[in-house]
Parts: sequence; structure tokens; C-alpha cells
Amino acid sequence: QVQLQESGPGLVKPSQTLSLTCTVSGGSISSGGYYWSWIRQHPGKGLEWIGYIYYSGSTYYNPSLKSRVTISVDTSKNQFSLKLSSVTAADTAVYYCARAPYGDYPGPVDYWGQGTLVTVSS
Amino acid sequence: SYVLTQPPSVSVAPGKTARITCGGNNIGSKSVHWYQQKPGQAPVLVIYYDSDRPSGIPERFSGSNSGNTATLTISRVEAGDEADYYCQVWDSSSDLAVFGGGTKLTVL
Repeated sequence: QVQLQESGPGLVKPSQTLSLTCTVSGGSISSGGYYWSWIRQHPGKGLEWIGYIYYSGSTYYNPSLKSRVTISVDTSKNQFSLKLSSVTAADTAVYYCARAPYGDYPGPVDYWGQGTLVTVSS
Repeated sequence: SYVLTQPPSVSVAPGKTARITCGGNNIGSKSVHWYQQKPGQAPVLVIYYDSDRPSGIPERFSGSNSGNTATLTISRVEAGDEADYYCQVWDSSSDLAVFGGGTKLTVL
């Protein structure tokens, strides 16, 4: 059974960089076959896709966030990470890491982390 | 960019059928996935590729997709089905995963 667990600071100051890590257990990122993703949900709002990474390092990013987002993968630790720069209060959200099957394009998200709330505030 | 439109809320009595729609331009040409999210929990995939059901999801959940509307149908609704439901597609023209705004299902 695959499990994903987000970790990182719950409070980030405005203009700084939000950094989160997702640790995957029960499956190996380097085995391929899946995209690894970050998705966020503003308080009381809907879901917003941030981006995907494949184990090879290839990425897809949401164009609305692309200039501020970096998603990376560390196969030796079976982890992938999110960095979001120049954050504002509008980046306050629950951040989920997730998995989607690999194909011509990403498939449905079949596993989700529990989510972690990140608050941007001074 | 591609937009998915869902009704903000749907209400249904227990034992009846709930239908939640997801509208998009020629959405019938795309694969639609549906997620259920209960308060304080991560979303759960309930329908994928328009009408497939993951293991563990009751047969009461079904999906269809044609033209400009995809539909999630929940038969014999139970109190435990009360949740927010989101549709999602991959917009290959923009290489972008798109979610609908979500529908809150209330069981009366």
C-alpha cells in the first residue's frame, strides 16, 4: 500500500520561499510508472493543481504558478519536493502531495497524502 | 485555459439518486475523473476515465461523459455520501490538470 507524507514548515513569512517534501513509502519513485504531484486547496475552496514530476526529472507546471514553482525529485531518499518562491497570503493553503499514473498524459490521482496546512504570515 | 463548471450544491434524500454535473467545452473528448472529499480529509478517487470505478468504491457510484457534460451518478444515496465532489481533466492543449470548482452534496 503506497503512502505519501508531506513535511515542512507550517508557517512561512511573506516574500520567502515555501518548501515542502513528500516522502513515499510502499513503492519506489525510481521504478517509474507514475507522476508525482503537488496540489493545493485554499481554505474553504477548491483544488488547484501545482505540478507533476516524473522520476526522470521531467516536469509539468501550472502556468499560473510556473514562474515561482520548482518541483524536484530525490530518488535516493524516495522523496519529491516543492519550492514556491515569493509567497504571499494568497499562498496560504493545504498542500497535498499525490501520485498519478504515467502515460501519454497524467492519469487520475490515485493516492494522496494527508495534506499539510501552510500559512503565510509575518 | 480550459474551464470545468460544477453546480455549487446538490441536495438529495436518502435512498434517492444524486447526479452531479461537470460542464466543459467538448468535455466528451476528454477523460474525466471524479474525487470525493469529506471535511478534514484528503480527496478520494471515486470514478476515473469517465466511468471506471476503483476497487473499494461501491457500485452505487457511476459516471458518464458525452458532449459538453460529464455526470457523476450516486444511486441509493446514503448519509455517508455527504461530501464535496470534484471533477478533473487533463487539458492537453495547455499541459494542465484542471479541477472543477466542486459540488457540495447534502443528504437531506
